[in-house]
Amino acid sequence: GDSVTQMEGPVTLSEEAFLTINCTYTATGYPSLFWYVQYPGEGLQLLLKATKADDKGSNKGFEATYRKETTSFHLEKGSVQVSDSAVYFCALSDRSYGKLTFGQGTILTVHP
Amino acid sequence: SAVISQKPSRDICQRGTSLTIQCQVDSQVTMMFWYRQQPGQSLTLIATANQGSEATYESGFVIDKFPISRPNLTFSTLTVSNMSPEDSSIYLCSVHSGTDSYEQYFGPGTRLTVT
Repeated sequence: GDSVTQMEGPVTLSEEAFLTINCTYTATGYPSLFWYVQYPGEGLQLLLKATKADDKGSNKGFEATYRKETTSFHLEKGSVQVSDSAVYFCALSDRSYGKLTFGQGTILTVHP
Repeated sequence: SAVISQKPSRDICQRGTSLTIQCQVDSQVTMMFWYRQQPGQSLTLIATANQGSEATYESGFVIDKFPISRPNLTFSTLTVSNMSPEDSSIYLCSVHSGTDSYEQYFGPGTRLTVT
Protein backbone atom coordinates (compact mmCIF):
# COMPACT_ATOMS: atom_id res chain seq x y z
CA GLY A 1 0.00 0.00 0.00
CA ASP A 2 0.87 3.67 -0.14
CA SER A 3 3.12 5.10 2.54
CA VAL A 4 4.82 8.37 3.47
CA THR A 5 7.97 8.71 5.55
CA GLN A 6 9.06 11.98 7.11
CA MET A 7 12.33 12.81 8.78
CA GLU A 8 12.33 12.15 12.46
CA GLY A 9 11.77 15.16 14.60
CA PRO A 10 11.34 17.37 16.42
CA VAL A 11 13.22 20.15 14.67
CA THR A 12 14.37 23.19 16.63
CA LEU A 13 15.73 26.24 14.81
CA SER A 14 16.59 29.83 15.48
CA GLU A 15 14.68 32.56 13.70
CA GLU A 16 15.92 33.22 10.13
CA ALA A 17 17.51 29.77 9.86
CA PHE A 18 17.06 27.58 6.79
CA LEU A 19 14.52 24.77 7.08
CA THR A 20 14.40 21.40 5.37
CA ILE A 21 11.97 18.65 6.31
CA ASN A 22 12.51 15.48 4.33
CA CYS A 23 9.63 13.44 2.94
CA THR A 24 9.73 10.32 0.80
CA TYR A 25 6.85 8.24 -0.42
CA THR A 26 5.88 4.88 -1.83
CA ALA A 27 2.86 4.70 -4.08
CA THR A 28 1.45 2.95 -7.07
CA GLY A 29 0.61 5.19 -9.96
CA TYR A 30 1.09 8.94 -9.85
CA PRO A 31 -0.15 10.45 -6.61
CA SER A 32 -0.65 14.09 -5.76
CA LEU A 33 1.63 15.28 -2.99
CA PHE A 34 0.86 17.73 -0.20
CA TRP A 35 2.25 19.46 2.84
CA TYR A 36 -0.25 20.22 5.58
CA VAL A 37 0.43 22.33 8.66
CA GLN A 38 -1.18 22.18 12.08
CA TYR A 39 -0.60 25.24 14.24
CA PRO A 40 -0.98 24.84 18.01
CA GLY A 41 -4.63 24.39 18.95
CA GLU A 42 -5.81 24.63 15.35
CA GLY A 43 -7.00 22.30 12.61
CA LEU A 44 -5.09 21.01 9.64
CA GLN A 45 -4.41 23.47 6.81
CA LEU A 46 -3.16 22.78 3.33
CA LEU A 47 0.21 24.50 2.95
CA LEU A 48 1.16 23.55 -0.60
CA LYS A 49 0.66 20.88 -3.23
CA ALA A 50 2.12 19.37 -6.40
CA THR A 51 0.32 17.11 -8.80
CA LYS A 52 2.95 15.84 -11.20
CA ALA A 53 6.68 15.24 -11.52
CA ASP A 54 8.88 18.36 -11.35
CA ASP A 55 5.98 20.52 -10.14
CA LYS A 56 6.98 22.98 -7.43
CA GLY A 57 4.42 23.88 -4.82
CA SER A 58 4.91 27.11 -2.88
CA ASN A 59 3.12 29.15 -0.26
CA LYS A 60 4.10 31.55 2.55
CA GLY A 61 7.78 31.22 1.65
CA PHE A 62 7.69 27.41 1.80
CA GLU A 63 8.55 25.33 -1.26
CA ALA A 64 8.57 21.66 -2.21
CA THR A 65 9.35 19.97 -5.53
CA TYR A 66 7.78 16.69 -6.68
CA ARG A 67 10.77 14.45 -7.47
CA LYS A 68 9.56 11.27 -9.12
CA GLU A 69 13.05 9.82 -9.61
CA THR A 70 13.79 9.97 -5.88
CA THR A 71 10.14 9.66 -4.75
CA SER A 72 10.60 12.70 -2.57
CA PHE A 73 8.81 15.94 -1.69
CA HIS A 74 11.07 17.79 0.74
CA LEU A 75 9.78 20.97 2.37
CA GLU A 76 12.09 24.00 2.46
CA LYS A 77 12.02 27.58 3.68
CA GLY A 78 14.87 29.99 3.44
CA SER A 79 14.23 31.95 6.63
CA VAL A 80 11.89 30.64 9.30
CA GLN A 81 9.95 32.79 11.74
CA VAL A 82 8.67 32.09 15.23
CA SER A 83 5.17 32.00 13.76
CA ASP A 84 6.17 28.97 11.66
CA SER A 85 6.27 26.83 14.80
CA ALA A 86 3.79 24.04 14.10
CA VAL A 87 3.49 20.39 13.14
CA TYR A 88 4.08 19.68 9.44
CA PHE A 89 2.61 16.64 7.69
CA CYS A 90 3.60 15.30 4.30
CA ALA A 91 0.78 13.45 2.54
CA LEU A 92 -0.14 11.82 -0.73
CA SER A 93 -3.47 11.24 -2.40
CA ASP A 94 -4.19 8.33 -4.63
CA ARG A 95 -6.09 9.28 -7.75
CA SER A 96 -8.52 6.38 -7.60
CA TYR A 97 -10.33 7.05 -4.34
CA GLY A 98 -8.92 10.37 -3.22
CA LYS A 99 -7.73 8.96 0.10
CA LEU A 100 -4.92 10.76 1.90
CA THR A 101 -2.00 8.91 3.43
CA PHE A 102 -0.04 10.96 5.96
CA GLY A 103 3.51 10.85 7.20
CA GLN A 104 4.12 10.81 10.92
CA GLY A 105 4.45 14.58 11.23
CA THR A 106 7.40 16.78 12.16
CA ILE A 107 7.24 19.21 15.07
CA LEU A 108 9.01 22.47 14.24
CA THR A 109 9.91 24.91 16.99
CA VAL A 110 11.48 28.24 16.06
CA HIS A 111 13.14 30.31 18.78
CA PRO A 112 13.64 34.09 18.60
CA SER B 1 -11.99 26.05 -0.44
CA ALA B 2 -14.82 24.62 1.65
CA VAL B 3 -15.57 25.85 5.16
CA ILE B 4 -16.11 22.99 7.56
CA SER B 5 -17.42 23.11 11.11
CA GLN B 6 -17.52 20.39 13.72
CA LYS B 7 -19.48 19.96 16.92
CA PRO B 8 -18.56 19.57 19.68
CA SER B 9 -15.08 21.10 19.62
CA ARG B 10 -14.13 19.04 22.64
CA ASP B 11 -15.71 16.73 25.18
CA ILE B 12 -14.84 14.65 28.18
CA CYS B 13 -16.76 11.39 28.36
CA GLN B 14 -16.93 8.40 30.64
CA ARG B 15 -15.94 4.97 29.44
CA GLY B 16 -18.78 2.87 28.11
CA THR B 17 -20.71 5.83 26.74
CA SER B 18 -21.05 7.06 23.15
CA LEU B 19 -20.46 10.41 21.53
CA THR B 20 -21.75 11.66 18.18
CA ILE B 21 -19.63 14.20 16.31
CA GLN B 22 -21.23 16.40 13.69
CA CYS B 23 -19.57 17.75 10.57
CA GLN B 24 -21.16 20.53 8.50
CA VAL B 25 -19.85 21.82 5.17
CA ASP B 26 -20.81 25.12 3.54
CA SER B 27 -21.16 23.55 0.09
CA GLN B 28 -22.34 20.29 -1.39
CA VAL B 29 -19.63 17.65 -1.58
CA THR B 30 -19.67 14.07 -2.73
CA MET B 31 -16.97 12.57 -0.57
CA MET B 32 -16.42 13.16 3.13
CA PHE B 33 -13.77 11.52 5.26
CA TRP B 34 -13.31 10.88 8.96
CA TYR B 35 -9.85 10.71 10.51
CA ARG B 36 -8.48 9.98 13.95
CA GLN B 37 -5.37 11.65 15.38
CA GLN B 38 -4.21 9.96 18.54
CA PRO B 39 -2.06 12.02 20.93
CA GLY B 40 1.26 12.90 19.34
CA GLN B 41 0.48 10.78 16.30
CA SER B 42 -0.34 11.28 12.67
CA LEU B 43 -3.77 11.11 11.08
CA THR B 44 -5.36 7.76 10.32
CA LEU B 45 -8.35 7.42 8.01
CA ILE B 46 -11.34 5.81 9.70
CA ALA B 47 -13.81 5.75 6.83
CA THR B 48 -15.03 7.40 3.67
CA ALA B 49 -18.65 8.56 3.64
CA ASN B 50 -20.50 9.09 0.38
CA GLN B 51 -24.04 10.37 0.36
CA GLY B 52 -26.55 7.66 -0.46
CA SER B 53 -24.32 4.71 0.26
CA GLU B 54 -22.81 2.88 3.21
CA ALA B 55 -19.56 4.24 4.55
CA THR B 56 -16.38 2.41 3.58
CA TYR B 57 -14.19 1.56 6.58
CA GLU B 58 -10.42 1.19 6.65
CA SER B 59 -8.70 -1.83 8.07
CA GLY B 60 -8.92 -1.83 11.85
CA PHE B 61 -12.13 0.20 12.03
CA VAL B 62 -15.61 -1.32 12.16
CA ILE B 63 -19.10 0.04 11.78
CA ASP B 64 -20.27 -1.17 15.19
CA LYS B 65 -17.61 0.95 16.88
CA PHE B 66 -17.71 3.97 14.54
CA PRO B 67 -21.14 4.21 12.88
CA ILE B 68 -21.35 6.99 10.32
CA SER B 69 -24.33 8.75 8.82
CA ARG B 70 -24.39 10.83 5.66
CA PRO B 71 -27.95 12.06 5.23
CA ASN B 72 -27.18 14.75 2.63
CA LEU B 73 -24.39 16.39 0.67
CA THR B 74 -23.43 18.91 3.39
CA PHE B 75 -23.58 16.92 6.61
CA SER B 76 -22.19 13.80 8.28
CA THR B 77 -21.93 12.35 11.75
CA LEU B 78 -19.44 9.97 13.34
CA THR B 79 -20.36 8.14 16.53
CA VAL B 80 -17.70 6.74 18.82
CA SER B 81 -19.44 3.89 20.62
CA ASN B 82 -18.76 2.15 23.91
CA MET B 83 -15.78 4.39 24.51
CA SER B 84 -12.59 3.43 26.31
CA PRO B 85 -9.59 5.61 27.23
CA GLU B 86 -7.87 4.36 24.06
CA ASP B 87 -10.46 6.31 22.06
CA SER B 88 -9.08 9.59 23.41
CA SER B 89 -8.06 11.39 20.22
CA ILE B 90 -8.82 14.26 17.94
CA TYR B 91 -11.43 13.32 15.36
CA LEU B 92 -11.41 15.28 12.13
CA CYS B 93 -13.72 15.34 9.17
CA SER B 94 -12.58 16.41 5.75
CA VAL B 95 -13.98 16.89 2.28
CA HIS B 96 -12.56 16.25 -1.10
CA SER B 97 -11.81 19.42 -3.08
CA GLY B 98 -13.41 18.06 -6.23
CA THR B 99 -10.40 19.13 -8.26
CA ASP B 100 -7.91 17.02 -10.16
CA SER B 101 -5.32 17.59 -7.47
CA TYR B 102 -7.36 15.62 -4.91
CA GLU B 103 -6.56 17.76 -1.91
CA GLN B 104 -8.80 17.66 1.12
CA TYR B 105 -9.99 20.42 3.42
CA PHE B 106 -10.28 19.70 7.12
CA GLY B 107 -12.58 20.72 9.90
CA PRO B 108 -11.15 22.07 13.16
CA GLY B 109 -11.44 18.70 14.87
CA THR B 110 -13.16 17.35 17.96
CA ARG B 111 -10.89 16.67 20.92
CA LEU B 112 -12.25 13.70 22.84
CA THR B 113 -11.02 12.61 26.25
CA VAL B 114 -12.37 9.40 27.72
CA THR B 115 -12.00 8.89 31.47
